[in-house]
Amino acid sequence: GEDVEQSLFLSVREGDSSVINCTYTDSSSTYLYWYKQEPGAGLQLLTYIFSNMDMKQDQRLTVLLNKKDKHLSLRIADTQTGDSAIYFCAEEGSARQLTFGSGTQLTVLP
Amino acid sequence: DTGVSQNPRHKITKRGQNVTFRCDPISEHNRLYWYRQTLGQGPEFLTYFQNEAQLEKSRLLSDRFSAERPKGSFSTLEIQRTEQGDSAMYLCASSPGGEAFFGQGTRLTVV
Repeated sequence: GEDVEQSLFLSVREGDSSVINCTYTDSSSTYLYWYKQEPGAGLQLLTYIFSNMDMKQDQRLTVLLNKKDKHLSLRIADTQTGDSAIYFCAEEGSARQLTFGSGTQLTVLP
Repeated sequence: DTGVSQNPRHKITKRGQNVTFRCDPISEHNRLYWYRQTLGQGPEFLTYFQNEAQLEKSRLLSDRFSAERPKGSFSTLEIQRTEQGDSAMYLCASSPGGEAFFGQGTRLTVV
């Protein structure tokens, strides 16, 4: 079956880098995604990576994929207070439906 | 605003009542998804439409739940005889075939 796991909490100081980790189980997933959710809001797509890639960079965001270990990470450079939110990783199933992790609550301290 | 629109944003209902939510996807997105999110959890997949055809339903979607997308555009999700356990955020997402874009969700509270 599909199961996506993330650590629940991460605290960083403003200006530092944040690294949010995720493990997944479905090796047939074609795409893996990172979403951001602020309190009371829907999910905002941040970035995604195709399964045959190792790395994708998009401005302050860097996604690393280790397909052998089924490990995905999201690095946020120069973390700001506006980055405080819950971050979800998600893997894509056969019907393009997403299986989400439980989310990592990122707190950015001044 | 050309994003995914969901109505209502909030719904409070008494146990046993029926409720219906609406989702208007991004124009020309042929795929539409419904998810449910409870507090402290990630969204869980409920069902998926490609155009007007409902192609996939999760085991989470009990007989009390029904979803439609009659003309391949907007979709409705109805919950009959609501239970307290149905209290959650119901999220709709649409996709042109790649990444999915989510609406703001409808928060249902069953009292």
